[in-house]
Amino acid sequence: DTGVSQDPRHKITKRGQNVTFRCDPISEHNRLYWYRQTLGQGPEFLTYFQNEAQLEKSRLLSDRFSAERPKGSFSTLEIQRTEQGDSAMYLCASSLTSEVNTEAFFGQGTRLTVV
Amino acid sequence: AQSVTQLDSQVPVFEEAPVELRCNYSSSVSVYLFWYVQYPNQGLQLLLKYLSGSTLVKGINGFEAEFNKSQTSFHLRKPSVHISDTAEYFCAVLKGNFNKFYFGSGTKLNVKP
Repeated sequence: DTGVSQDPRHKITKRGQNVTFRCDPISEHNRLYWYRQTLGQGPEFLTYFQNEAQLEKSRLLSDRFSAERPKGSFSTLEIQRTEQGDSAMYLCASSLTSEVNTEAFFGQGTRLTVV
Repeated sequence: AQSVTQLDSQVPVFEEAPVELRCNYSSSVSVYLFWYVQYPNQGLQLLLKYLSGSTLVKGINGFEAEFNKSQTSFHLRKPSVHISDTAEYFCAVLKGNFNKFYFGSGTKLNVKP
């Protein structure tokens, strides 16, 4: 399968703990996005990378959140000192920028539950 | 500001009946438009997209959508739904600088036998 993969699929953590999620994009895609989706809402943009450069971060991304994409391949999203409000589905997507823009391909997401 | 409005949070429909899921967007610049489907505990799968050209776009699973610039709408339609179409559908726009997608709040389609 050459789609976007995310790990883990589910994570339950205690409030105050740190968590890290991983995303492996489609190999030739240069853009990688992180979105957050809460119950009953559409995905909300968190941040995106063009190759290894993090070009934009949403105001939703507090100081407790950090994302990296070393070498422009896989990406990690870390949440420090988790809070119950962080409980959500975290979606990763990748795309290939071109003259004719294409859609973003999404992974299956990581569902985070903070107890 | 960019926004996408999906007017119906839930749409119940009987199997084999037609369905329309509504989407309106606000933008002062050109946008690209998309419909994604999400099955329970899954990521988003692209149904169809409008980039340019013909305003009637056909996608997978028998879905189609029509771009209406004057009404800033991109409604999704299917002439005859199946039980397997039960899912949540999201309309999304991509602005001219292609930085990020803006999603609507979603419409849950519930197909009844």
